[in-house]
Amino acid sequence: DAEITQSPRHKITETGRQVTLACHQTWNHNNMFWYRQDLGHGLRLIHYSYGVQDTNKGEVSDGYSVSRSNTEDLPLTLESAASSQTSVYFCASSESTGKDTQYFGPGTRLTVL
Amino acid sequence: AQSVTQPDIHITVSEGASLELRCNYSYGATPYLFWYVQSPGQGLQLLLKYFSGDTLVQGIKGFEAEFKRSQSSFNLRKPSVHWSDAAEYFCAVGARAAGNKLTFGGGTRVLVKP
Repeated sequence: DAEITQSPRHKITETGRQVTLACHQTWNHNNMFWYRQDLGHGLRLIHYSYGVQDTNKGEVSDGYSVSRSNTEDLPLTLESAASSQTSVYFCASSESTGKDTQYFGPGTRLTVL
Repeated sequence: AQSVTQPDIHITVSEGASLELRCNYSYGATPYLFWYVQSPGQGLQLLLKYFSGDTLVQGIKGFEAEFKRSQSSFNLRKPSVHWSDAAEYFCAVGARAAGNKLTFGGGTRVLVKP
């Protein structure tokens, strides 16, 4: 069965360190998204990609970057982790259009000390 | 820009009682509307979605939602809740003009009393 996976599931890091969160999907979807989930804010879009070599900034992109070198993966990098980036991060993918369902990974809980 | 409001942060309902979760959106054209559910420690799962046509949409797990353009609402309902319905529920809006992006509401946490 097709799926979307995230690793690690839990991560503790220190302020100033670079951190990369992995997202891998086997749906062969064109679109991939990264969100962060914080109490009271729902899910907010960080970055997204519509295909290989395509990346776009979302609503809360400062301090984050992504790259899309193949269809399956969209790693999220925190260049210099800050305590404000402590959150739960979700990756999602969808086929092509805005009507297509976004399928979500299980999430990564990141704590920045 | 599109936006979504879920006015209720928490709702407590007795098992077997009916449930209605409110969702109001702001968008000029016809939106694409979604309801997702998140069980504790899990990712989000799609319950149902609406694009056009019949304004009453049936979803999984016995949920339904009604699109009311005049009220800019897309409320989620279930006639009789089960303990397993305890979760957080998110309304989301997309649009053709917004590409393939979704904007999510803040979520409503549902607690089910025995």
